[in-house]
Amino acid sequence: GAVVSQHPSWVICKSGTSVKIECRSLDFQATTMFWYRQFPKQSLMLMATSNEGSKATYEQGVEKDKFLINHASLTLSTLTVTSAHPEDSSFYICSARDLGERIEQYFGPGTRLTVT
Amino acid sequence: KQEVTQIPAALSVPEGENLVLNCSFTDSAIYNLQWFRQDPGKGLTSLLLIQSSQREQTSGRLNASLDKSSGRSTLYIAASQPGDSATYLCAVANQAGTALIFGKGTTLSVSS
Repeated sequence: GAVVSQHPSWVICKSGTSVKIECRSLDFQATTMFWYRQFPKQSLMLMATSNEGSKATYEQGVEKDKFLINHASLTLSTLTVTSAHPEDSSFYICSARDLGERIEQYFGPGTRLTVT
Repeated sequence: KQEVTQIPAALSVPEGENLVLNCSFTDSAIYNLQWFRQDPGKGLTSLLLIQSSQREQTSGRLNASLDKSSGRSTLYIAASQPGDSATYLCAVANQAGTALIFGKGTTLSVSS
């Protein structure tokens, strides 16, 4: 089956620093990747839709200048949390949509971000 | 705006019981519905995907049904085991290839 990886799996950073999270589709090409955020005891909430070669589309309430998304190739999308604050501490999960006929989404294992 | 609700929020059962998890959605015009399992601190494991034209899907001890007109889906787990303990998430896609809209999940605990 299709595999999506995320790196790092967990990261601790100091307030004010920036953190980059990578999402890769390992065995298929993905024109579209989605970034979700999950706070403790809450469900996954869509942050943005990342399309290869174009600007990401952000959900209402998500700051595009704070959460920078780059989808530079058909197998890689990155999310950079700039000037991170403790309230950005969360579980970030990406999903990738197969370029082929199947439209099922495949989820990465998630990245746990803790900002101190 | 599509909203997904899951009931109950938490469920504790002894091993061996059959159980039902409920999911409801406000807009019946969905493309598909998916059930996931999430272990603490981990990512998502896809369990079952039901297309809007389908009524149910089965995988092993799991059976998911979909009643699109009433905006409901149920996940039936037969002969529950302690290894089934996890949070179960229901999610819908409004259109092909769009992001999923998730419920808050049902946290299941199966005791031996």
